[in-house]
Amino acid sequence: GENVEQHPSTLSVQEGDSAVIKCTYSDSASNYFPWYKQELGKRPQLIIDIRSNVGEKKDQRIAVTLNKTAKHFSLHITETQPEDSAVYFCAATKAAGNKLTFGGGTRVLVKP
Amino acid sequence: GAGVSQSPSNKVTEKGKDVELRCDPISGHTALYWYRQSLGQGLEFLIYFQGNSAPDKSGLPSDRFSAERTGGSVSTLTIQRTQQEDSAVYLCASSLQTSSDTQYFGPGTRLTVL
Repeated sequence: GENVEQHPSTLSVQEGDSAVIKCTYSDSASNYFPWYKQELGKRPQLIIDIRSNVGEKKDQRIAVTLNKTAKHFSLHITETQPEDSAVYFCAATKAAGNKLTFGGGTRVLVKP
Repeated sequence: GAGVSQSPSNKVTEKGKDVELRCDPISGHTALYWYRQSLGQGLEFLIYFQGNSAPDKSGLPSDRFSAERTGGSVSTLTIQRTQQEDSAVYLCASSLQTSSDTQYFGPGTRLTVL
């Protein structure tokens, strides 16, 4: 089955700096890659996703890139703000009856 | 509209007792998922229901865990003979049809086994 590795497990950045989280996946047939954000004490929520037919997607200060050849995808947060402090989870699936496999999560702390 | 709801929000039980956790998905969503999250940890997949297909039970940690989804809507996760290591937050999520649709999570049930 699919295996998703996520790095780093913790990330501390200064407010205004950029943050990058990287994930690798094992199943070359995977074609959907969402990112979820979980604030302390809250439920996970989708922040951005990418499908295998594109290499990059951007939404304001967040962007995701996908390298299908290398089987890795990354989340980029620019101009970080304190409200970006949370745990971020990447995930992968090939859908069609297959579950969504999550990475282990990255705890991001934005220091003011 | 109404999101995913779960009940109870908190459950404290004694070791050895059985517990039932309930999930009400978003109306019209045919896919439903259960995850377990221990304190400060990641999302551990438990089970996935997709429409009328046989559920993917590959994440259930032991035969003490079972889940059903009646009428394609409400789901119940049952843990028999609870153990202290079962203590965690149990999260339910639903999506429109498959795992490549956005998953909407419920608020979770915090289970504490004494």
